[in-house]
Amino acid sequence: ILNVEQSPQSLHVQEGDSTNFTCSFPSSNFYALHWYRWETAKSPEALFVMTLNGDEKKKGRISATLNTKEGYSYLYIKGSQPEDSATYLCASNTGGFKTIFGAGTRLFVKA
Amino acid sequence: DAGVTQSPTHLIKTRGQQVTLRCSPKSGHDTVSWYQQALGQGPQFIFQYYEEEERQRGNFPDRFSGHQFPNYSSELNVNALLLGDSALYLCASSLGTREEQYFGPGTRLTVT
Repeated sequence: ILNVEQSPQSLHVQEGDSTNFTCSFPSSNFYALHWYRWETAKSPEALFVMTLNGDEKKKGRISATLNTKEGYSYLYIKGSQPEDSATYLCASNTGGFKTIFGAGTRLFVKA
Repeated sequence: DAGVTQSPTHLIKTRGQQVTLRCSPKSGHDTVSWYQQALGQGPQFIFQYYEEEERQRGNFPDRFSGHQFPNYSSELNVNALLLGDSALYLCASSLGTREEQYFGPGTRLTVT
């Protein structure tokens, strides 16, 4: 994988559903994987920075896992709420100074 | 504690013109990165500035240039604007060149 890829592109869930999405990134020269949450008309907000293979991070109902050997990360949201509606971006930093973003997963949570 | 600020918020320019966008980093941050976000895509890395030098550059032509000042603020300049340069331009600051980034609200550039 040369680019950062996210799936699905968009997701519609009901309030209370749990959901997850995937970020695939180049596994060579891996340095860090970032997850951001981007609400409409606001700045992207950092959720997690993950560096170690097998790392798991949690913030409230949101958690993320990291597999650097195979180059993927999962973001999980437990019991989705309408305020979770946003675009979730992942970004990979590999060795150098540039950060490569995926196109994002757009989450819509219906009340 | 002021976060990352960008100016202007919105800008409309004509093809062939030049534009300068400005960014002030979060207090205490020394590194500024610039991104272009076109509709439906993730932010595309333009370049990063640290210690007033361009440290890394993405796949953008030389029409895109930048500068970092001693107070760590930064400018993005785009010459000879094309319609395809219409996008949201995001600035992000960090402490160090590979650390967690904090984003500004962006500048929406429209080229007509």
